[in-house]
This record gives sequence, C-alpha cells and structure tokens, in this order.
Amino acid sequence: KAGVTQTPRYLIKTRGQQVTLSCSPISGHRSVSWYQQTPGQGLQFLFEYFSETQRNKGNFPGRFSGRQFSNSRSEMNVSTLELGDSALYLCASATVADRGLAGYGYTFGSGTRLTVV
Amino acid sequence: GENVEQHPSTLSVQEGDSAVIKCTYSDSASNYFPWYKQELGKRPQLIIDIRSNVGEKKDQRIAVTLNKTAKHFSLHITETQPEDSAVYFCAAPPQNRDDKIIFGKGTRLHILP
Repeated sequence: KAGVTQTPRYLIKTRGQQVTLSCSPISGHRSVSWYQQTPGQGLQFLFEYFSETQRNKGNFPGRFSGRQFSNSRSEMNVSTLELGDSALYLCASATVADRGLAGYGYTFGSGTRLTVV
Repeated sequence: GENVEQHPSTLSVQEGDSAVIKCTYSDSASNYFPWYKQELGKRPQLIIDIRSNVGEKKDQRIAVTLNKTAKHFSLHITETQPEDSAVYFCAAPPQNRDDKIIFGKGTRLHILP
C-alpha cells in the first residue's frame, strides 16, 4: 500500500512569504500529526488532526496553522515566514485507534524541506 | 505533561563495537516505548519497541531494555556496522492517547571504520 506522501519535497521561500505544505496519509489512516525537525531541537510537535479537527497543539506561534479535509489529507500553513522556520517538516499518520501510540501504526512521510532566505 | 530526555546527543563508536543510547521519561503511566531510526535524508522509521510488561526485547543486533522503576529505557546495538550510522529517536507516548507524543531530541550515531 502507498505510504505517507508529502508535497513538495523541497521549497525555498523568502522572509515574509507564506507557505502551504501537504500530507496525504496512508489509506485508512485518519490521524495526521505534524512535526518540525531541526538539527538542534529534534522532532518538535506542531499539531495533530483527525476527523477534520485539531486534537492537539504544540508550542508554536499562531503563524503555524493546519487543517484536515474529509479525505484525511492535511495541510499546514506558515505565514510571515522567518529565517528560523527553515526546517524539515514531517507528517505522520495513524489509525484513529492507534493515535497517541508512536510507532504502533504510526508512519512518517519523507518530509518537506523548507528553506527560508 | 510528558518529558523525555535522550543521551548522548552524539555518539561515535568503532565498527564492530557496541552502542548504547538512553532515554528517561517523566510520566509513570507510560507503557509503550518505541525507537526510531532516521538515516540521512530519509524519514524516521520504527526499528524496535517495548511494552511495560517486559524488561527486554531483542531483534538480531538491536535490543531495548526498560527499567520502569527508574523510568528509563535504552537502545543497544551490538556488532555495529556502517549502515547503523543514523539519528535515533526515542519516544514515550502518554497513556492518555489524547495527549501529544513527545520525542527525545535524538542521538546522532557515527560508526567509525
């Protein structure tokens, strides 16, 4: 079966712009979580969605937002980009029954590498 | 909320030697402990996990041990090989599945020739 698909793979934006990243979960997975990965901070939790509702939110400013569609695909948006937003953005999907149990039905996508210049 | 500390942040070992990475957690209700491996340019992938009703689990050259009293769990890699070079992450999901999952900050493992 197809894995978790993230698009685009790479993105270069300038400060002040906004960006939208997409994540298509594994078929049947309704939970989608987003993480920001940077060399010094590891995997930082952004938010989780399932059933088109945000269920959890990490400690990121309001410039970071997301949404989920009825087909479980999710998007995250970052407005007014800053240099510090440069990172690898990963999404992970899980079945609703397994959400909250990292690794147990929890699959990562390959990520979108965002560079802000 | 849950807090996970992972050590060391970087580890270099000679090929063939063993590597040990340790994580400590704060939520005593945690009962499932996975380890992820992320190779350069690739996504994190689950390599081994352990549940709280066992103290050790092995899968070929990798093993995970759990000490619930001390609230720490460790990843052991024996007879290390070049392909073991990667970043390793631990996680300690909360018992309440509505809480967010917290990962350790990762350990960059270098296997030296």
